Amino acid sequence: DTGVSQNPRHKITKRGQNVTFRCDPISEHNRLYWYRQTLGQGPEFLTYFQNEAQLEKSRLLSDRFSAERPKGSFSTLEIQRTEQGDSAMYLCASSPRTAQGYGYTFGSGTRLTVV
Amino acid sequence: GNSVTQMEGPVTLSEEAFLTINCTYTATGYPSLFWYVQYPGEGLQLLLKATKADDKGSNKGFEATYRKETTSFHLEKGSVQVSDSAVYFCALSDQGFQKLVFGTGTRLLVSP
Repeated sequence: DTGVSQNPRHKITKRGQNVTFRCDPISEHNRLYWYRQTLGQGPEFLTYFQNEAQLEKSRLLSDRFSAERPKGSFSTLEIQRTEQGDSAMYLCASSPRTAQGYGYTFGSGTRLTVV
Repeated sequence: GNSVTQMEGPVTLSEEAFLTINCTYTATGYPSLFWYVQYPGEGLQLLLKATKADDKGSNKGFEATYRKETTSFHLEKGSVQVSDSAVYFCALSDQGFQKLVFGTGTRLLVSP
């Protein structure tokens, strides 16, 4: 078990471009979460999946953001027409189905810089 | 809604000093409480947790006790090391969905 893997680690893009991040969860975890963390702040919830079903999305997730988890394995987070305000660390986490009190396992994150 | 409030940082200590980082929460029902640690350039690591009132979570010399009467989950360590320098996040998850809600984090700086 290699933990939660996120790629790329860093991404620099020009404003208006599209970017896609990938998250590979721990294999036996069927819940997967995306969070966004800006400098000096705690992570903020974006969305979560149970298997391939996206069960909740935060109001933070504008129409430019889309997340998928085909086949309930890895997940991708795409941001279209990036804006400077999208610059942040994007964190992925996974947990077993019965996560009450379990806590999540986080990946190392993808740091996005929009210039 | 649910929320977590942490003390402002940075907290600056000398090696072997006693550490307290305050955390209070607002939540309905009986949330689970967590402390996560984030080292520079890395993701978050679960440090300890408690799932019900009066539970004490502990790990690597850190402790925190779930106090429902004061809605608190303060992090303590008897003797900090330079390697403990990091940002510490208090978080809660509700009984239903288990979405984590984080505080803003407290940076700890330990000098030799």
